[in-house]
Amino acid sequence: SAVISQKPSRDICQRGTSLTIQCQVDSQVTMMFWYRQQPGQSLTLIATANQGSEATYESGFVIDKFPISRPNLTFSTLTVSNMSPEDSSIYLCSVEYYSGQYFGPGTRLTVT
Amino acid sequence: RKEVEQDPGPFNVPEGATVAFNCTYSNSASQSFFWYRQDCRKEPKLLMSVYSSGNEDGRFTAQLNRASQYISLLIRDSKLSDSATYLCVVNRERDSSYKLIFGSGTRLLVRP
Repeated sequence: SAVISQKPSRDICQRGTSLTIQCQVDSQVTMMFWYRQQPGQSLTLIATANQGSEATYESGFVIDKFPISRPNLTFSTLTVSNMSPEDSSIYLCSVEYYSGQYFGPGTRLTVT
Repeated sequence: RKEVEQDPGPFNVPEGATVAFNCTYSNSASQSFFWYRQDCRKEPKLLMSVYSSGNEDGRFTAQLNRASQYISLLIRDSKLSDSATYLCVVNRERDSSYKLIFGSGTRLLVRP
């Protein structure tokens, strides 16, 4: 499996601001994903990020709120825009291998 | 009805016990099935894939019943280190093995 890192590991942000989360993988992967895990909840897929194409968003998530970049096969960013307290959550990136998906350590976001 | 349903637990068992978790899924088109383990404040880690014929990995056995849309995980000889939340995961669409739906998890507490 890959080694996946995320930055920042946590942040406390003010309402109305934006935060960009970085995800770095130690090998080239075609498919990367961004998930959200709200307090006490399971994971929800936000979008799929493939290199060279626009991200594909799941129902309930829009590009204006969660813009994603995928400049190469080892890196992706997720921006949480115009944040509100409801965006307080853990954001995780993952990559797809033949055996399944593997997750980064997550970014714990608190919006005040 | 939730797409993936699990008993939230917690299951509180002594060391050495055998414990079984069940999961049902609603989409008959699902083709890929997994069990993930999530420790407190950590990312989910792939425990095992689940195959139609059933599969075993050491103390862990996974079973799939497609007719009943039911997945199980059996843990034998429980260890203290098995304490975690176990997530049942299925893919959403027949042609999208990577679009995963996570159950809300079953919490396991193994006591000395």
